[in-house]
Amino acid sequence: QSVLTQPPSASGTPGQRVTISCSGSSSNIGSNYVYWYQQLPGTAPKLLIYRNNQRPSAVPDRFYGSKSGTSASLAISGLRSEDEADYYCAAWDDSLSGVVFGGGTKLTVL
Amino acid sequence: EVQLLESGGGLVQPGGSLRLSCAASGFTFSSYAMSWVRQAPGKGLEWISGISGSGGSTYYADSVKGRFTISRDNSKNTLYLQMHSLRVEDTAVYYCAKGTDSSAWYAYYSDNWGQGILVTVSS
Repeated sequence: QSVLTQPPSASGTPGQRVTISCSGSSSNIGSNYVYWYQQLPGTAPKLLIYRNNQRPSAVPDRFYGSKSGTSASLAISGLRSEDEADYYCAAWDDSLSGVVFGGGTKLTVL
Repeated sequence: EVQLLESGGGLVQPGGSLRLSCAASGFTFSSYAMSWVRQAPGKGLEWISGISGSGGSTYYADSVKGRFTISRDNSKNTLYLQMHSLRVEDTAVYYCAKGTDSSAWYAYYSDNWGQGILVTVSS
């Protein structure tokens, strides 16, 4: 059971917009940054969003992160086949003194 | 370019020990916290330990506390994870990950990851 809660799966067709949610509590998302990672099949995770809504320079602006209260979301617009991957949210947890991850969301591009 | 290269994985029997290493390059190693994150087969990511840039502060997930020890040698740009009393449930790919600051509360988020090393605990 992960500390952060994500839907196990999401899907969309090419060009569509999809949103992945991440729910936590006051000790993690409610008081700290949310990071998002993309993990393509058979590869290491890659940073997608940092500090709630910032994108590394190499990440296209189709990816958008947001946070409100104890929840966060990752939106992907203009869905492409190469976006098919697992997506994880993460946050520092003040009570656990460690980073906690969501269980991951498998995105399928139909 | 940041590069993180893990080594030391393999097959070990339950109750055994193993030491993972992570050779870092492409950044000022001592200026950043580092973490170990693992992923059991077919499962999600689990952060298991972090260490500040100086090595003076360490953090552990409850699942490994008392069994695993994280350390670093800033003169060698190398991160370590000493694992004792290994259990079948410790079987996973172990990733070395670079933090975002030396010691601030947000230092243990990761912005670069190694390719991972497989540890299999089985009799």
